[in-house]
Amino acid sequence: DQQVKQNSPSLSVQEGRISILNCDYTNSMFDYFLWYKKYPAEGPTFLISISSIKDKNEDGRFTVFLNKSAKHLSLHIVPSQPGDSAVYFCAASNNDMRFGAGTRLTVKP
Amino acid sequence: ETGVTQSPTHLIKTRGQQVTLRCSSQSGHNTVSWYQQALGQGPQFIFQYYREEENGRGNFPPRFSGLQFPNYSSELNVNALELDDSALYLCASSALSGSRTAAGRELFFGEGSRLTVL
Repeated sequence: DQQVKQNSPSLSVQEGRISILNCDYTNSMFDYFLWYKKYPAEGPTFLISISSIKDKNEDGRFTVFLNKSAKHLSLHIVPSQPGDSAVYFCAASNNDMRFGAGTRLTVKP
Repeated sequence: ETGVTQSPTHLIKTRGQQVTLRCSSQSGHNTVSWYQQALGQGPQFIFQYYREEENGRGNFPPRFSGLQFPNYSSELNVNALELDDSALYLCASSALSGSRTAAGRELFFGEGSRLTVL
């Protein structure tokens, strides 16, 4: 069941530029949205979240935007750093949490 | 504070066999969720346990079953293994099922158990 979709399997950006990762969802009952980051051989780790009653949440270099009418959210990383290179998963939650397929971000020095 | 630990880290089984994977939740967490992550895919929700009861299930057949113990640790059992069951199985704990706060919703993942079915 593809309730959460990340349509870009990969993204490559230059160090210092902005990275924008996108996510779409179908279930209007989701009330929290989260981004997770995953390095090889590790479990996903929480990055940032947003409640469905907000449209923006910022934490340092990371900002998540939510457009409820479009059922779309995005993660902005500014400025991008080589250490940000990882797979990023979008997740949506109500009673349980559903994940997208992930986007592999590569930040080139 | 100990994090989420899973065992075994790697295992190989043959088709038709049964497997049990184990998970110890993070201290203070009473909810455990299990996910299957196939190569190149995102984690797929299998089920969630809260206070020793199944509290939500994804689109997985009944041969995937689980348990949660009074200390909130958990097991995932898979019977009659199929080749397509080969995947990374992730366990995640959280503070409270259906929490109304972001902190309660955050999942803390273990490193996973990689199952290969031959």
